[in-house]
Amino acid sequence: DSGVTQTPKHLITATGQRVTLRCSPRSGDLSVYWYQQSLDQGLQFLIQYYNGEERAKGNILERFSAQQFPDLHSELNLSSLELGDSALYFCASSVGGASGRGSYNEQFFGPGTRLTVL
Amino acid sequence: AQKITQTQPGMFVQEKEAVTLDCTYDTSDQSYGLFWYKQPSSGEMIFLIYQGSYDEQNATEGRYSLNFQKARKSANLVISASQLGDSAMYFCAMREGSSGTYKYIFGTGTRLKVLA
Repeated sequence: DSGVTQTPKHLITATGQRVTLRCSPRSGDLSVYWYQQSLDQGLQFLIQYYNGEERAKGNILERFSAQQFPDLHSELNLSSLELGDSALYFCASSVGGASGRGSYNEQFFGPGTRLTVL
Repeated sequence: AQKITQTQPGMFVQEKEAVTLDCTYDTSDQSYGLFWYKQPSSGEMIFLIYQGSYDEQNATEGRYSLNFQKARKSANLVISASQLGDSAMYFCAMREGSSGTYKYIFGTGTRLKVLA
């Protein structure tokens, strides 16, 4: 157990709909990252938040948005869903600070949310 | 542009043998980190090993070691004494950035199958 939680575990919805994925980072971690993994693909970095602020953006569609709340949990909102949005969405957290206790600043991944768009 | 390349889509290894999974990277940064993650069929991502760009020694974690050749920009994962439970997808990743802003780039992965 990495200490990162994601809900829901599975989500099935229809095209055109909007969904919200939730992530709670490990205790003490300030950074949250979101990734998309399509079938048999590597991980595509979507976005990073650090202590409530957006810090880095990857290949995130305009239909997608995210935020990190004061309690450090994060939500990824996906709207106007298309069939191609079906994927495993991972959240990861890391210490992320300049003086963080972990020299690696390695990411710890949640179990993922499997989104199926029908 | 920053890039991670894993040229082996799939690998087979006999149980108890050693196997090397290749990873090359491209970056213009002086400070970066290299990671390997394992993704079993259950889907979770498991951190295996880390190598910092300034580390002079190759990283080791149990049966995992990272063969870091900085001049060649390679960071190969070596798994010794393979076990059936090692069958999984393996991803090489690079971290760039500092002071709370980090970008992680993942390779396309290598699927390892350990044969009994």
